[in-house]
Amino acid sequence: GAGVSQSPSNKVTEKGKDVELRCDPISGHTALYWYRQSLGQGLEFLIYFQGNSAPDKSGLPSDRFSAERTGGSVSTLTIQRTQQEDSAVYLCASSLGIHPQETQYFGPGTRLLVL
Amino acid sequence: AQSVTQLGSHVSVSEGALVLLRCNYSSSVPPYLFWYVQYPNQGLQLLLKYTSAATLVKGINGFEAEFKKSETSFHLTKPSAHMSDAAEYFCAVTPKQTGANNLFFGTGTRLTVIP
Repeated sequence: GAGVSQSPSNKVTEKGKDVELRCDPISGHTALYWYRQSLGQGLEFLIYFQGNSAPDKSGLPSDRFSAERTGGSVSTLTIQRTQQEDSAVYLCASSLGIHPQETQYFGPGTRLLVL
Repeated sequence: AQSVTQLGSHVSVSEGALVLLRCNYSSSVPPYLFWYVQYPNQGLQLLLKYTSAATLVKGINGFEAEFKKSETSFHLTKPSAHMSDAAEYFCAVTPKQTGANNLFFGTGTRLTVIP
């Protein structure tokens, strides 16, 4: 079966513009996560969705970041008024269930460059 | 708060030599522990995980890790390095509590295999 897919694979934008990053999780996976990987900060958790529950937004770095998950499947991460420090690889992961020991399966990431 | 320390941001070994990548966690209650590998320009792939069953965990590609509570460690080993093992390796944890599902990552260790 297909793994986690993300689009676009690369995105170059100008400072101040908004960007949308998309994640398609593995079919049937109820949990979806966004992480950010940057040189300065390593791998950081951003946001977590579980079924129809309210998302855990505790990792979002500022109110310029938001995410939604429609129909319990596809998720979009939106960054408004991008800044140069937003340049990073944005990784999406999904897991079958909600237990902390569940394996998270990662997509290839979206590499964002803010000029 | 969860914390994961990976000693050595870069490790070089000769082909055929032992691979040892170190990981220590800091929490009073042992968490769930994971090792992920990331090949260039790819997402993260699970190598193995510790979920409170056997303390010696075997993973893919000949890797294994041993959970040692007394040392708060979960070091990754492979008896004989192969050129294809060159990649970045991340140790990660999730706390053993419902609702705390996101992974906390170490800073990563880049493994170089010398022919």
